[in-house]
Amino acid sequence: KAGVTQTPRYLIKTRGQQVTLSCSPISGHRSVSWYQQTPGQGLQFLFEYFSETQRNKGNFPGRFSGRQFSNSRSEMNVSTLELGDSALYLCASTNGQGQETQYFGPGTRLLVL
Amino acid sequence: AQSVTQLGSHVSVSEGALVLLRCNYSSSVPPYLFWYVQYPNQGLQLLLKYTSAATLVKGINGFEAEFKKSETSFHLTKPSAHMSDAAEYFCAVTPSSGNTPLVFGKGTRLSVIA
Repeated sequence: KAGVTQTPRYLIKTRGQQVTLSCSPISGHRSVSWYQQTPGQGLQFLFEYFSETQRNKGNFPGRFSGRQFSNSRSEMNVSTLELGDSALYLCASTNGQGQETQYFGPGTRLLVL
Repeated sequence: AQSVTQLGSHVSVSEGALVLLRCNYSSSVPPYLFWYVQYPNQGLQLLLKYTSAATLVKGINGFEAEFKKSETSFHLTKPSAHMSDAAEYFCAVTPSSGNTPLVFGKGTRLSVIA
C-alpha cells in the first residue's frame, strides 16, 4: 500500500499571502489529521476530518482551515500568512474507527518571508 | 485532558550503549501510548504503541517500552545504540476510547557518538 503523500514538499510564501497544502491518505483510510510542527511549540494538532466532516479541532485561529473530499484527500488552507506560520505541516491518516495508529506523511515545509 | 512530558530535550549516547528516553504522561482515562521517530526532513514513523494488552511493548529497530501505570511512565529503551538511531523521538498519548487527537511531548533528540 502506498503511504500518506503530501504536496508540495516545500513552499516559500510572503506575509499576507495564502497557501493551500494537500494530503492524500493511505488507500481505505477515511480520517485525515493535520499537525503543525515548530521548534518552539513542537507538534500541535490543527484539525481532523472524517468522511468530509471536521470531527476535531485544535486551538488555532480561523486563518487555518481545511476540507476533505469524497475520495478522503484533504487540503488545509492558511490565509493572510504570518511569519510565525513558518513550520512543517504534517498530515496523518487512519481508517477513523477508534484510536488507531496514525500514519504520517513526509510533511510540507512552509517558509513565510 | 492528556499531557506528555519528555525529560531531556537532548540525549547523547555512545554507539553500543543503552538508550533510555523518558516519557511521563497524564491522563484522566486509560491511555493509549505511542513512540514515534522522526529523521531529518521526514515525517513521523511509528516505533511502537501500547494499547492496554502487554505492558512491555516491542517495536521496530530493537526498541521497546514498558507501560508503568503506578509511575505514569512509558520509557523507551534499546540495549545497544546504533549510529542510525540518531533522530528525534516523540512520545504521544490519547484516550483509549473515542476519536480524540494525539497529544505529543516536545521530543527528545538522540545523538549517537562513535
